Amino acid sequence: DIQLTQSPSFLSASVGDRVTITCRASQGISTFLAWFQQKPGKAPKLLIYGASNLQSGVPSRFSGSGSGTEVTLTISSLQPDDSATYYCQQLKTYPDITFGPGTKVDI
Amino acid sequence: EVQLVQSGAEVKKPGESLKISCKGSGYSFSDYWIAWVRQMPGRGLEWMGIIYPSDSDTKYSPSFQGQVTISADKSITTASLQWSSLKASDTAMYYCARLGLSLNGVWYADNWGQGTLVTVSS
Repeated sequence: DIQLTQSPSFLSASVGDRVTITCRASQGISTFLAWFQQKPGKAPKLLIYGASNLQSGVPSRFSGSGSGTEVTLTISSLQPDDSATYYCQQLKTYPDITFGPGTKVDI
Repeated sequence: EVQLVQSGAEVKKPGESLKISCKGSGYSFSDYWIAWVRQMPGRGLEWMGIIYPSDSDTKYSPSFQGQVTISADKSITTASLQWSSLKASDTAMYYCARLGLSLNGVWYADNWGQGTLVTVSS
């Protein structure tokens, strides 16, 4: 099994801040990774796929980078609408897929 | 527009059976895998399994193998998740998602249903 950890588990930042969330895998996952945003009471929303590809319609302030055992999600200028929990997801062992534990972002 | 519309909230007793559904529209339902994801109260996301509606090829996450049954009926563009005997620990929000975005041989969940809340309580 590939285990994912995310850091931090919680962060509080201000509007306009640059924010980075890290996802670490217990084994190399190449770039088989996605990032999702979930707001309370809502379904997850795909932000990034293939570690660095921005999903259509997602604001360009979101970006992803990295490969192997460490990947990151960056929000270049935090906006009020970005208050949510962010999950990474590894697909290296597709179709047995796992999510990270989540990072809650508070504005 | 791609849409996945899930069935409504359910309240059941332990030991009862249940089938929840996810109806796809706005795309060729048979041609894309559908995934089911569990989210227990206040917890993270758990991948349960996937089904290919064209031939009902199904793959379960080891944690859910034997615990649930995933099925699909392409004639009514609907995927389903069912339990034969519910437990209190099945209380959760369940999401379906279309695996609609392919890159390097894997498929990503690009469209999600609104979720179905299942509550199991005596």
